[in-house]
Amino acid sequence: ETGVTQSPTHLIKTRGQQVTLRCSSQSGHNTVSWYQQALGQGPQFIFQYYREEENGRGNFPPRFSGLQFPNYSSELNVNALELDDSALYLCASSPSGGAGRGETQYFGPGTRLLVL
Amino acid sequence: EDQVTQSPEALRLQEGESSSLNCSYTVSGLRGLFWYRQDPGKGPEFLFTLYSAGEEKEKERLKATLTKKESFLHITAPKPEDSATYLCAVNYGQNFVFGPGTRLSVLP
Repeated sequence: ETGVTQSPTHLIKTRGQQVTLRCSSQSGHNTVSWYQQALGQGPQFIFQYYREEENGRGNFPPRFSGLQFPNYSSELNVNALELDDSALYLCASSPSGGAGRGETQYFGPGTRLLVL
Repeated sequence: EDQVTQSPEALRLQEGESSSLNCSYTVSGLRGLFWYRQDPGKGPEFLFTLYSAGEEKEKERLKATLTKKESFLHITAPKPEDSATYLCAVNYGQNFVFGPGTRLSVLP
C-alpha cells in the first residue's frame, strides 16, 4: 500500500507568480484535504475534495483553488503569490467523504514553498 | 469561538521521566479528536483517533485519553527518539482544526 506523496518537495517563487502543487492520495482513499503550515504553527485547513467536488473550505481567499482528478490525485493552485504564502503545504487523504464519525487523515511529506 | 489549544508549548524531559501533554477544545459536535507526531520539516504522522469521552488508546509508550472538553497524551518512560512536536486536531462538521502543538525534547 503506497502512502500519500507530494511534489515537488521544495519550490521557490517570486511575489505575484502562480504555483501548482501536486498530491497523490493513499491507495483506496477518495478524499483529499490541503493544509498550510507556517513555521512553528499547527496546520491550517485550506479545503477538502471528495469525489472531485469541493467538500469544505477554511478561511482562505479564492486565489487558493484546487482540483481532484478521477484517480483521486489532487492539485493545489495559488495565484498572485504573496510573501505570507511561504509555508509548508500538506496534503492528507482519507478513505471516504467523512459522513458520520470523523475519519483519520493521513499526511504526505509536504511541499516547502518560499515566496521571495 | 471554536478553538483548539495545547499545553505546554514546549516540554523538556529526561529520558525515563513520564509526563502528559494536554489538548483542550471548545467546539460543538465533535466527530473525532486526532493526535499526530511531526518531526521537523516532515508531514504529521498519525498516532491515535478518539471519538467519545472515556475512550483510551495505547501504542508503545504513548496513551491517549479523551474527556468532553480535553484530551491527554501520556508519555511513559520516554526515549530521545520520542522528541518531536505533538499535534492534536479536532473534526467537527466539515472542519478539521489543529492546535499549535507541543514541542517535546527528551534528553538522554
